[in-house]
Amino acid sequence: AQSVTQLDSQVPVFEEAPVELRCNYSSSVSVYLFWYVQYPNQGLQLLLKYLSGSTLVESINGFEAEFNKSQTSFHLRKPSVHISDTAEYFCAVSRKTSYDKVIFGPGTSLSVIP
Amino acid sequence: DVKVTQSSRYLVKRTGEKVFLECVQDMDHENMFWYRQDPGLGLRLIYFSYDVKMKEKGDIPEGYSVSREKKERFSLILESASTNQTSMYLCASSYTGSLWPQHFGDGTRLSIL
Repeated sequence: AQSVTQLDSQVPVFEEAPVELRCNYSSSVSVYLFWYVQYPNQGLQLLLKYLSGSTLVESINGFEAEFNKSQTSFHLRKPSVHISDTAEYFCAVSRKTSYDKVIFGPGTSLSVIP
Repeated sequence: DVKVTQSSRYLVKRTGEKVFLECVQDMDHENMFWYRQDPGLGLRLIYFSYDVKMKEKGDIPEGYSVSREKKERFSLILESASTNQTSMYLCASSYTGSLWPQHFGDGTRLSIL
C-alpha cells in the first residue's frame, strides 16, 4: 500500500522569503502526485499535480513541485511567499492503476509572518 | 463558477441520532467523495461514488452509509452517531477521467455530544 509523509507539521516563514514544504511517499508502483491547499475555514483546492511527462510542475500562484523518483519525493517550493499563502498544505498520492483512491498526507501548516 | 455545496457548516447532534450530511455539485461530475478530516491525520476517504446508485467503500466506512439517487447529490449518513464521529466532513467531486478529487465543499464541522 502507498503512504505519504509530510515531516514538517508547521512551517513559519517571513513574508517574501522562500519556502519548501517536504513530501515523501512510498509505493511499489508508479504514482500520480498532488498538492492541495486549504485556506482557513474553506475546503481544499487542488494546487498542482504530476501525472506524467515533465517532473517539474507549476501552479498559477507561483508554487512549483518536482517529482524525484529516486528519492520518492514531491517537495513544494515557492521563491517568495505572501501573507495570503498562509494555509494548510496536503501532499497526496495515488497509484497509476485503473482506479485507485488518493492517499493524503497529514498536512503542513504554513504560517507567513509579516 | 463551479460549486460543491455542503448543506451545513456546523452541526451539533446527540449520541445515537441518525445524521444526514448533504452535498450538491453543479458541474455534472460523475465522481463524488466523502472525506473525514482530523488534525494530524489528513483526509481519510469514507465513501466514493462513480455514478448514480453506485458506491465504493473507502478506508473508514464503518458507522457510515451513503446515498446517491441523483447525479448532483451525494449524502453521507451516520446511522447511529457516536462521539468518535465528531470531525470535519468534506465532500468533493471530479469528472470521469479524473480519479482524484478536483473540487471540494467548504466542509461540515460535526459535533456529537
